[in-house]
Amino acid sequence: GAVVSQHPSWVICKSGTSVKIECRSLDFQATTMFWYRQFPKQSLMLMATSNEGSKATYEQGVEKDKFLINHASLTLSTLTVTSAHPEDSSFYICSARRQPEGPLHFGNGTRLTVT
Amino acid sequence: KQEVTQIPAALSVPEGENLVLNCSFTDSAIYNLQWFRQDPGKGLTSLLLIQSSQREQTSGRLNASLDKSSGRSTLYIAASQPGDSATYLCAVSTGNTPLVFGKGTRLSVIA
Repeated sequence: GAVVSQHPSWVICKSGTSVKIECRSLDFQATTMFWYRQFPKQSLMLMATSNEGSKATYEQGVEKDKFLINHASLTLSTLTVTSAHPEDSSFYICSARRQPEGPLHFGNGTRLTVT
Repeated sequence: KQEVTQIPAALSVPEGENLVLNCSFTDSAIYNLQWFRQDPGKGLTSLLLIQSSQREQTSGRLNASLDKSSGRSTLYIAASQPGDSATYLCAVSTGNTPLVFGKGTRLSVIA
């Protein structure tokens, strides 16, 4: 149990276009989901905390207008990278918790390449 | 501000060897500590979760210990196998908050 599905696994887009990444908790409800970004050989950096039915909480230095997060239901959160640029190329990973004190379960990540 | 450090950054061992990965954190007021495995280009797989009140957790060949007062955790892997090759990350939580991650230990087990 506790499966988190992330889609797509990889995407290549042209500079200036927008890309949407979906994160779904398949067998549990997640009131909170987290979005991380990972550069090569670096650890995960938290981008934002996504709460169902309310606005996401962004970490310092993360542009809200560039990384749009929507948590429309208890099983789905989306991250949209707007007007993507080559420096946005990275590995994006979402995660979700079944319970506040429980383990965090991660999706398999999305490799974004902006050309 | 919580900081998590993992030592060593990389480790290469022959198959069959027992090994220990280290994780330290600066703020001992944690809620739990979690060890993850990450394969290249993949997401994270949760290995073990230790609550702040626990001293250790075991799963198969893996054993994780926690010494909250000293801000340390270790991940012990017994009888290592080539399939154990991956990056191992530890992360701490201070309640219903996002995790703070270490930079990971890249493990290579040589057949």
